[in-house]
Order: sequence, then structure tokens, then C-alpha cells
Amino acid sequence: KQEVTQIPAALSVPEGENLVLNCSFTDSAIYNLQWFRQDPGKGLTSLLLIQSSQREQTSGRLNASLDKSSGRSTLYIAASQPGDSATYLCAVTGGYGGSQGNLIFGKGTKLSVKP
Amino acid sequence: GAGVSQSPSNKVTEKGKDVELRCDPISGHTALYWYRQSLGQGLEFLIYFQGNSAPDKSGLPSDRFSAERTGGSVSTLTIQRTQQEDSAVYLCASSVPGLSTDTQYFGPGTRLTVL
Repeated sequence: KQEVTQIPAALSVPEGENLVLNCSFTDSAIYNLQWFRQDPGKGLTSLLLIQSSQREQTSGRLNASLDKSSGRSTLYIAASQPGDSATYLCAVTGGYGGSQGNLIFGKGTKLSVKP
Repeated sequence: GAGVSQSPSNKVTEKGKDVELRCDPISGHTALYWYRQSLGQGLEFLIYFQGNSAPDKSGLPSDRFSAERTGGSVSTLTIQRTQQEDSAVYLCASSVPGLSTDTQYFGPGTRLTVL
């Protein structure tokens, strides 16, 4: 069944650094892929959604890419700031064991940006 | 505009008791999802409602879990005879499937603690 893996599990960087978070999925037959941010004790905030026919999406300092055939996505954060500190979650819809509706999540990357 | 709301924000109960968790989706969103976030388990899909279609219950972990969606809007997740392993944050999300974005918007969650 569809499984989503995120590497690394945790990342600590100094302020201003550019960084990349990685996400991989086992079944390439996805409908879309979403990146979320979760702050401690809070719900999820959607950052970017990439449809299966798209290669990338950009929003401000964030850029997400999708390589469906290899089952990979990356989230690039430019010029990181302490306010970017949060857990970043990758999720897909579709693939074996999934559906067009429900999201299948990775376990997340906990990012800490040091001032 | 109002986002997805959930109540209560926190619930502490004794093992064996029944609990009801409520979700108010964004107005006009026809799809509603319940997820569970447990420590060490990540986010797991529970159930998905889409319009008047039969719900996708494939993620419910046992028959102690059930959910209803009345009038295509508010949803209630019921856990009967709660167990300690039911302790988790229960998240609700809604979306307007069929649009190009199909983004799921999450509520703040209900933290359930079973003593």
C-alpha cells in the first residue's frame, strides 16, 4: 500500500540558510501531493499543493517540486527565518491503498531555524 | 471567513466511557475528513464523507469508532468504550473536491486523553 517517507526527521539550520526537505512515496499513481506546516499544539496549515500533472508550485520563499515517476517531492525554503520553525508534513492522495480523497501522510520533518 | 472548527479543544475521559467529537467544516465544502494524530504514529486517515455518497470508513481502527455527517455539514465522531490507546489528537478537514486545487483545510483538533 501507499507509504510516504520524509527525510530527515529533524533539521536544525542557522537563520538565512536555504534548505531542502525531502519526501518520497512508494506508489507513483497519485492524484496530488500537499505540503503542510504544523506548529506545536496547532492544526495543519496547507503550504502548497501539486497536482499529479504538475512539476512544481511556488509560494513566496517556498518551492515544491514533484517527480511522480521516481516517487519524490522536495520542499525548498529560501532564506530561512526563525518563524519557519515547525514540523513540515508531506501527504499524497491516491496510489495503492489510497483514494482520491484521503491523505496519506509522512511522519514529518521537524525544522528548527536558529537566530 | 471562518475556517474549520472543532469542539471540544480538549477532552479528558475515563477508560470505558463514550465520547463525541464535533467538526464544523467550511461552509460550502462538500468533503469532510477525520484523521487521528498519535504520538509516534503520525497522522492516520479515519473516515471520509463526500456529499450524499456512502462514507469511506476504511480507516476506522475498530467498530468502537463511528461518525455521522448531518445535513451535509456538521460531523460527529463517536468513540465508544474508550481505551487508553485512543488517546490522540483528532483532526477534521474539509475541501471542495473537483476544483483544481482540492486543498484540504484542517481544524485545530481535539486532544483526547483517556485515563
